[in-house]
Amino acid sequence: GQNIDQPTEMTATEGAIVQINCTYQTSGFNGLFWYQQHAGEAPTFLSYNVLDGLEEKGRFSSFLSRSKGYSYLLLKELQMKDSASYLCAVRDSNYQLIWGAGTKLIIKP
Amino acid sequence: IAGITQAPTSQILAAGRSMTLRCTQDMRHNAMYWYRQDLGLGLRLIHYSNTAGTTGKGEVPDGYSVSRANTDDFPLTLASAVPSQTSVYFCASSETSGSTDEQFFGPGTRLTVL
Repeated sequence: GQNIDQPTEMTATEGAIVQINCTYQTSGFNGLFWYQQHAGEAPTFLSYNVLDGLEEKGRFSSFLSRSKGYSYLLLKELQMKDSASYLCAVRDSNYQLIWGAGTKLIIKP
Repeated sequence: IAGITQAPTSQILAAGRSMTLRCTQDMRHNAMYWYRQDLGLGLRLIHYSNTAGTTGKGEVPDGYSVSRANTDDFPLTLASAVPSQTSVYFCASSETSGSTDEQFFGPGTRLTVL
């Protein structure tokens, strides 16, 4: 079967750095996406990785290792507004997105 | 205003009744999707459409039907609602169904079936 694993919840301090991990087992691989979802709102796109390595976009970076079935999202200089759920999704061989359950990130002052 | 709209925002529905959730996008995207999101579970794909006139079944299609008569609209119908269909429903679209295309999401419809 297809499976995406992420920690359920993480806590971090304002101004710090946090790494959210995602491991996957899917039928085929056509890219990995990270989305942010604030409570009661729609998911919004953060990043896309299809090749191994690190993609940096401002305070957010995303890393992919296809051989290990592993990705992480790195958030730097955390702000209170970063409190949200972070969703990992993999596009499989049918070009459909398989979603993890999401990681709820709590930022404390 | 560019984006995706969904209606209604929320609804309480009696079991056995039918209902259509509406979704409209004005970005001229070819592909559209319906997901449901339940606590503790990832988004699950119900139905999708890669282009107007075509539809396909996702991971959890039973009890739902869709149509795609034109590019902009992608309604989701529950023929006879059951309590297990209580969920938040998100409509999404992407330029194509290709690998690099991000999906844009509507604001969601919160449905309660009693």
